[in-house]
Amino acid sequence: ETGVTQSPTHLIKTRGQQVTLRCSSQSGHNTVSWYQQALGQGPQFIFQYYREEENGRGNFPPRFSGLQFPNYSSELNVNALELDDSALYLCASSTRTAPRDTQYFGPGTRLTVL
Amino acid sequence: DQQVKQNSPSLSVQEGRISILNCDYTNSMFDYFLWYKKYPAEGPTFLISISSIKDKNEDGRFTVFLNKSAKHLSLHIVPSQPGDSAVYFCAASRNSGNTPLVFGKGTRLSVIA
Repeated sequence: ETGVTQSPTHLIKTRGQQVTLRCSSQSGHNTVSWYQQALGQGPQFIFQYYREEENGRGNFPPRFSGLQFPNYSSELNVNALELDDSALYLCASSTRTAPRDTQYFGPGTRLTVL
Repeated sequence: DQQVKQNSPSLSVQEGRISILNCDYTNSMFDYFLWYKKYPAEGPTFLISISSIKDKNEDGRFTVFLNKSAKHLSLHIVPSQPGDSAVYFCAASRNSGNTPLVFGKGTRLSVIA
């Protein structure tokens, strides 16, 4: 069984640029959630995708957008990058099955904005 | 407003002893709680969870205790091993996990040989 994978591992961009991060969910999982982890903080929820539709969004501006594909892989896009967007971006997959749902995380993409 | 709080940024424990990591929450709607362990340059790894209908859940060396009236949970690791040295995150969610996880800031555990 393949776990959650993310690419790239590291990325350096400059202010104002755009970035796309990618995530492949764990086999059998149909839900992908994205989190941002700033230095010294816990992960913060960005949004979740379930069956290719956005299913919940955290307190992030519209320049953070995403997609989920029919194979349940996902992309996170960030436009007009700001210095504060520098963080570890984590993708987590899950199944949304009763009675409990556990999210499993990928290794993350470290984004540095200069 | 931090809904999940881990008030100890760091903890040092000797190998073989018990490690106790604490977590407090403020939202009474949370009904599912999880602990994740994170090594540098890796994503969080799921460790153990507990539903609000229970007050204890064990998995090998790891036990999580939930005190709903105090809105407090703790993770016990017995015996602690050097490989347990990592950052531990407490997380909570509503609706049995089908809502976003809300994380604490983490506690860095160092197990000294």
